[in-house]
Amino acid sequence: GAGVSQSPSNKVTEKGKDVELRCDPISGHTALYWYRQSLGQGLEFLIYFQGNSAPDKSGLPSDRFSAERTGGSVSTLTIQRTQQEDSAVYLCASSLEDRGQETQYFGPGTRLLVL
Amino acid sequence: GEDVEQSLFLSVREGDSSVINCTYTDSSSTYLYWYKQEPGAGLQLLTYIFSNMDMKQDQRLTVLLNKKDKHLSLRIADTQTGDSAIYFCAEKADSWGKLQFGAGTQVVVTP
Repeated sequence: GAGVSQSPSNKVTEKGKDVELRCDPISGHTALYWYRQSLGQGLEFLIYFQGNSAPDKSGLPSDRFSAERTGGSVSTLTIQRTQQEDSAVYLCASSLEDRGQETQYFGPGTRLLVL
Repeated sequence: GEDVEQSLFLSVREGDSSVINCTYTDSSSTYLYWYKQEPGAGLQLLTYIFSNMDMKQDQRLTVLLNKKDKHLSLRIADTQTGDSAIYFCAEKADSWGKLQFGAGTQVVVTP
């Protein structure tokens, strides 16, 4: 079946604008994760959703970042008033559940460049 | 807090073995993973090991875990040019889902 997909694959925006990044997880996966990969910071956890539970937002770097997951499937990560330091690759992953050794399958990422 | 450390770069000749090392600090880590990232691509799971194991072998890949020293290694036998990539180790505690990643090791395979 299809893997995790993300859109857009690339996004260039001006400082101060809002952006929305989309993630379509693997069908049937209840857990969905967002990570950010930037130069000098490696891969950092942002937020994750598990079923109907409240999301774990502990990794969001500021209140300009928010995410939602509609209908337990598609997720959107929104960055308001983008800053140049937001430039990074935003990776989404999904897994059957969040516990045990359940493998997280990653999408190809959205490359965000803030000018 | 949790921290995962890896060496940043490894150069290896084609046909030799590669060994990528990783140390972690979270003693509650239950699962440890190795992911591979090729240029312009997402992360691909290579293998994982449960914390009560000390070795796992999967074809050309051997994972060694020293839980006492919190040291994890990935050995790639007969390294090929297609193995050139960035390799990430990651740890996960059983009680929550997020992965804590290392900074990644860039492996360059030379002919």
